[in-house]
Amino acid sequence: GAGVSQTPSNKVTEKGKYVELRCDPISGHTALYWYRQSLGQGPEFLIYFQGTGAADDSGLPNDRFFAVRPEGSVSTLKIQRTERGDSAVYLCASSRHSNYGYTFGSGTRLTVV
Amino acid sequence: TQLLEQSPQFLSIQEGENLTVYCNSSSVFSSLQWYRQEPGEGPVLLVTVVTGGEVKKLKRLTFQFGDARKDSSLHITAAQPGDTGLYLCAGGGYQKVTFGTGTKLQVIP
Repeated sequence: GAGVSQTPSNKVTEKGKYVELRCDPISGHTALYWYRQSLGQGPEFLIYFQGTGAADDSGLPNDRFFAVRPEGSVSTLKIQRTERGDSAVYLCASSRHSNYGYTFGSGTRLTVV
Repeated sequence: TQLLEQSPQFLSIQEGENLTVYCNSSSVFSSLQWYRQEPGEGPVLLVTVVTGGEVKKLKRLTFQFGDARKDSSLHITAAQPGDTGLYLCAGGGYQKVTFGTGTKLQVIP
């Protein structure tokens, strides 16, 4: 597609439930990133994929968070046993190997009630 | 951990005024990017600077990378209501970028 697509755009879930957030990057972009953004703050790094492998997952806050990119294109961020503190906008971005600068999707707003 | 501090945190100005936003760090960055974000959208890349002392212009926006590659500034001339948004600097390279704390700009018509 022309841009980075994230689904759903909004997700409300109950505390303790499992959620999956999907990111469809720009075709041909080998690098994919997940960030989390709280209201009025800058995005916070979660994980970076180069191809199918997670090259850097140092930003994942704990083992309830996991992300996959099995075919080197679409990625899914998975959150188990959600907590109210997980509420935020989850942003996905992609980039070509040789470029600086990311193209972001519009994000998924996750609300845990 | 590389931290990027932006100032001011909030800025409300009248249309036609000039403004400067600052991005500072104690760390050296291989490159620095500026993004603008509107509510409900992801950040949109405005510019990338990679050389110490580099100045780039994008219409009414002027970006400068510090000589030591630890800081940057964004200057907007004759601000327009369409410039309203959250301005984010981000430092790093290809593998991982650290975002600044953000500057929320409101331009009043």
